[in-house]
Parts: sequence; structure tokens; C-alpha cells
Amino acid sequence: QKEVEQNSGPLSVPEGAIASLNCTYSDRVSQSFFWYRQYSGKSPELIMSIYSNGDKEDGRFTAQLNKASQYVSLLIRDSQPSDSATYLCAVNSDNYGQNFVFGPGTRLSVLP
Amino acid sequence: DADVTQTPRNRITKTGKRIMLECSQTKGHDRMYWYRQDPGLGLRLIYYSFDVKDINKGEISDGYSVSRQAQAKFSLSLESAIPNQTALYFCATSDPRLSDRGFLGYTFGSGTRLTVV
Repeated sequence: QKEVEQNSGPLSVPEGAIASLNCTYSDRVSQSFFWYRQYSGKSPELIMSIYSNGDKEDGRFTAQLNKASQYVSLLIRDSQPSDSATYLCAVNSDNYGQNFVFGPGTRLSVLP
Repeated sequence: DADVTQTPRNRITKTGKRIMLECSQTKGHDRMYWYRQDPGLGLRLIYYSFDVKDINKGEISDGYSVSRQAQAKFSLSLESAIPNQTALYFCATSDPRLSDRGFLGYTFGSGTRLTVV
């Protein structure tokens, strides 16, 4: 059973702080890793993808991947109240999307 | 207009009724998926289709069926709805082309909130 685990939260951070979201996965052959943001009652929106070990930065977002530890994280710098949402970690082990496994999500609350 | 459109947005139905959720997309993607989302359980794959003649069961297909009417249309049916099928349902598509690194991820529709009473 392939699993993706996340702390459900809520994770509360003050406005302007760095929010750190973590995810671990069980399938060692996982190839691609994604972070989706989901506002309450809305659909998931892809914000980051990462494929190799290390850091990938996009604006205020940085994804970090450590395949040896089976760990992926998302850092949000200068957090804003508009970042308050649930963040879903997703892990894929093929090129077809049929082995896509989502974590349960971490709810982030950015306090003004 | 949205790239992936789901109808209806909300639906309340009675136990035992047949209901169809529809999904259409303008992204030109061959690959389409149906997921359900339950609080604390995350997103779980119901069915997926890689082209019009291809239908595959996902993790939780029991109680559901699908129809791929065209490249752009993928419908999910509940033949006899039951209360534990109350959930948020999402249709998704994926680009069959790969980036230089691999799978590009999903684009989700806006979702259908289904309540079975």
C-alpha cells in the first residue's frame, strides 16, 4: 500500500513568517512530487512540482526533496493571509498518472 | 471559461437513485480521471481513462461506473446511490506529454458536491 503522510494541522503562522509543510512517502520508486493548494470547497491547484533531490524555488515557494529520506517539503516565505488553505502533497511513480497518491493535506492558517 | 468543467456543482439525491456526474474539458488531454475527496482521507482515485476506448478501475471503483463519450467528455455514474457516497467529486485531466523531468501533474475541475440522503 503506497502511502503519503502529512501532518493534518492546522499549522498557524503569523503574517510575514515562513510556513514549513512536510510530507513523507512510502514508495521508494516515486519519481515526481507535487504540491497542490486547495481553498475550502474549491479544487486543488498545482503550485509546485519537483523531480530531483534538492531545492526548487518559484517566487515565495520553495520545494525541497530528499529521496533517500523519502521526504518532501514546501516552504512559503513571507506568508500572507491569502496563503491560508489546505496543502496537498502528491507523489507519482510512473509517467502516466495512474499511480498518483495524495496525502490527506495540511491546513495552513496565516494570522494577520 | 474553465478548462475542466463539471456539472452539476451541487447535488442532493436520495438513497437508491441513479445519478450521473459529468465532466468536459477543453485542454485537449487524452487522460481523464475521477476522484472523490472525503475529510481526513484525501483524494482517492475512482476510475481513469487514457483514451476513448480505455477505461480502468482505480482504488475505489465499487458502486461507480464511467463512460468516456468523447476525448473531451468523461462521466461518472452512481447506479444506486448510498449515503457513504456523500463526498466532493473531482474530475481531472493530465497532459500525456512529459516534461524533460517526467509527469506534469493534474488539472482539476471545480468539483461536484454530492449529498446522498
